[in-house]
Amino acid sequence: DTGVSQDPRHKITKRGQNVTFRCDPISEHNRLYWYRQTLGQGPEFLTYFQNEAQLEKSRLLSDRFSAERPKGSFSTLEIQRTEQGDSAMYLCASTTRGGVGYGYTFGSGTRLTVV
Amino acid sequence: KQEVTQIPAALSVPEGENLVLNCSFTDSAIYNLQWFRQDPGKGLTSLLLIQSSQREQTSGRLNASLDKSSGRSTLYIAASQPGDSATYLCAVGGGSEKLVFGKGMKLTVNP
Repeated sequence: DTGVSQDPRHKITKRGQNVTFRCDPISEHNRLYWYRQTLGQGPEFLTYFQNEAQLEKSRLLSDRFSAERPKGSFSTLEIQRTEQGDSAMYLCASTTRGGVGYGYTFGSGTRLTVV
Repeated sequence: KQEVTQIPAALSVPEGENLVLNCSFTDSAIYNLQWFRQDPGKGLTSLLLIQSSQREQTSGRLNASLDKSSGRSTLYIAASQPGDSATYLCAVGGGSEKLVFGKGMKLTVNP
């Protein structure tokens, strides 16, 4: 499978716990993006990497959120001290050197439920 | 700030109808526009990508058009089938590396 892979598919956690999600982009894609989608809404941009450099972060990404992309390959998104408002689908996407103009490929997402 | 609107939020039609899904955006300075399909609880599947210099793109029963000057795009689905039932999202790419999405339109095609 050469698509974008996300793990886990589902995560249920108690409020206050930390969670980490992983995204493996298409191997030749150097740009990686994280989006968050709540029920009935379109995805909202969280952050963007070009290779290992995090180049843009949304104001939605509070201090409890951190993302990394070591060595410009896979990426992780960590949420510390989860809150019920963090419940959402977290989507990862990647694209080629040309960036957004070449269109995105999305993964299947990680659905987070905070109870 | 770019805003993307999709109206209506939901549509239910009988099988076989030809459909037009609408998307409007407020800032015409876009690089491209992409239509996605999302099945319940799933990620996004890219359907069509239209660059700002293009007027339309076609893939099978799908045709997407773009009118930058009026800030509009339409997705045309020919001869709809129950398998087309999903949420359709429109997203525009602008000066930054992020896409701005509409809220989507939930389509139900009844057999």
